Amino acid sequence: ETGVTQSPTHLIKTRGQQVTLRCSSQSGHNTVSWYQQALGQGPQFIFQYYREEENGRGNFPPRFSGLQFPNYSSELNVNALELDDSALYLCASSSRLERPGQETQYFGPGTRLLVL
Amino acid sequence: AQTVTQSQPEMSVQEAETVTLSCTYDTSESDYYLFWYKQPPSRQMILVIRQEAYKQQNATENRFSVNFQKAAKSFSLKISDSQLGDAAMYFCAYRWDDKIIFGKGTRLHILP
Repeated sequence: ETGVTQSPTHLIKTRGQQVTLRCSSQSGHNTVSWYQQALGQGPQFIFQYYREEENGRGNFPPRFSGLQFPNYSSELNVNALELDDSALYLCASSSRLERPGQETQYFGPGTRLLVL
Repeated sequence: AQTVTQSQPEMSVQEAETVTLSCTYDTSESDYYLFWYKQPPSRQMILVIRQEAYKQQNATENRFSVNFQKAAKSFSLKISDSQLGDAAMYFCAYRWDDKIIFGKGTRLHILP
């Protein structure tokens, strides 16, 4: 059973650019959640994807968008990058059960994004 | 709005001793889940323990146990027989429906 993987591990972009981060979910999982973790802070929930549709969103602007593919892998896209977007971006996969929130999320190692 | 507070930014414990990390949360919901995650320097977030709010019994996983006080909205983590590998950031998290909220974390140092 393979765990959650993310690519790339590190990324440097300049302000105003666009970035795409990728996440492969753990085998058997159908839900992917994305988090932003600023330095010295806890992760903040960006959004969750289930069955290829956004299913829950945190307090992030529309320039943060995502996709989930039929194989349950996912992308996080961020447009018009700002300096404050510099952070560790974590994805977590889970197998959605009948009661949302009941399932355990398994995290990937993260992508470190630096915006200059 | 739901919030999660970890009031101890850093803690230290002697190897083999016991340490307790504090977490309080605020919610108006009655059915939710609570988690402790560990994030070592490698960055990968690892689930330590979870607690269902509808269960009165405190969760236990080997050397890790929680003290869940629902009325007080308190969810502390006790680590017994601390080991060098326990050194990490520890995050308390609250989950209701599709919302999950993390605290700011407690950095745990293990002293040899």
